[in-house]
Amino acid sequence: KQEVTQIPAALSVPEGENLVLNCSFTDSAIYNLQWFRQDPGKGLTSLLLIQSSQREQTSGRLNASLDKSSGRSTLYIAASQPGDSATYLCAGLMDTGRRALTFGSGTRLQVQP
Amino acid sequence: DAGVIQSPRHEVTEMGQEVTLRCKPISGHDYLFWYRQTMMRGLELLIYFNNNVPIDDSGMPEDRFSAKMPNASFSTLKIQPSEPRDSAVYFCASRLSSEQFFGPGTRLTVL
Repeated sequence: KQEVTQIPAALSVPEGENLVLNCSFTDSAIYNLQWFRQDPGKGLTSLLLIQSSQREQTSGRLNASLDKSSGRSTLYIAASQPGDSATYLCAGLMDTGRRALTFGSGTRLQVQP
Repeated sequence: DAGVIQSPRHEVTEMGQEVTLRCKPISGHDYLFWYRQTMMRGLELLIYFNNNVPIDDSGMPEDRFSAKMPNASFSTLKIQPSEPRDSAVYFCASRLSSEQFFGPGTRLTVL
């Protein structure tokens, strides 16, 4: 059974700092990995999707990488801003035909102005 | 596109009552998912449909939960009878190809 772990559980940084959020998964048979953002009391917003054949994806200040062999994905946020404060979730889709995502527990990010 | 639409956004009910949550997926998407989010267990899949057909309901906690998708633009998740431990945020999501898109969720409180 796939397990997805996110470290750290919470992170507080000053504005302007570059930061990395980590996501690890136990089963390397992963089809794709998706990063989401969740604001308090809100739904999930898709940030980046990385296919298993890709190494990384970029969107603005965000860059996500995927290393299947090591079972890891990272989300890099450049020049963090207070508006980046949210919970970030990673979720893996297994290469088994089952189309549901397996979620990590999230990293709660606070960017201090 | 309006995105995935869920209703109601908030539901407060008493134990033993029937609860029906509704979802309208993004037009053209062929997969629909129901997830539940709690502090203790995080986000968990309940059931998903492909082309209106239930594919995997292994996450449905017990017979009190049921889900239907009568057509490509509508799905319901029903809890009957509801219990306090069902209190959670219920999300609906849809997808076409690989990326899943989530609705705003329904916050259910069972007293």
